[in-house]
Amino acid sequence: KAGVTQTPRYLIKTRGQQVTLSCSPISGHRSVSWYQQTPGQGLQFLFEYFSETQRNKGNFPGRFSGRQFSNSRSEMNVSTLELGDSALYLCASGPSGTVDTQYFGPGTRLTVL
Amino acid sequence: DAKTTQPTSMDCAEGRAANLPCNHSTISGNEYVYWYRQIHSQGPQYIIHGLKNNETNEMASLIITEDRKSSTLILPHATLRDTAVYYCIVRVESDSWGKLQFGAGTQVVVTP
Repeated sequence: KAGVTQTPRYLIKTRGQQVTLSCSPISGHRSVSWYQQTPGQGLQFLFEYFSETQRNKGNFPGRFSGRQFSNSRSEMNVSTLELGDSALYLCASGPSGTVDTQYFGPGTRLTVL
Repeated sequence: DAKTTQPTSMDCAEGRAANLPCNHSTISGNEYVYWYRQIHSQGPQYIIHGLKNNETNEMASLIITEDRKSSTLILPHATLRDTAVYYCIVRVESDSWGKLQFGAGTQVVVTP
């Protein structure tokens, strides 16, 4: 079975721009979670989707948003990029989200200049 | 407050067993112990999880003490590719993964 895939793997943007990251979960998985990882803050939860509905949201500003499609693929969007948004963005999928183990993708490395 | 305590770092010789401790003294009866690892700049990789019985899979063994206040992840024959940050997490099955904190983990360096 193919693992979680994330595209693009690397991205460079400038301040003020917006960015969309994509995540394709493991086949059959319906839950997708997003995380931001920085050296200073570690792994921080952004949001979790299940069956196209946002089930949980972390403590991030409204510039961070996401959605999930009927095929369980998910996207996250960051608008008005700031330098501090430079991070590794990770997506994880699970069969149902609560009971099951999460499996992470390789991440998208975003650099904001 | 962190629910688990792990050493900041540890070294291990290639070919030897690596024993990674985790303290979770406030664990409740319905919380599982999960282990993940993260190789530099890659996504975290699931290793193993357990409730109270010892568990073993192709990657590692998990030994949970009888009082469940601590556990040890054992990599039986460490290789250079096992160099990574190892995270110990406790989790109630019904909890959203979003409620969890991975913490700082243990940086394991396997040396030749």
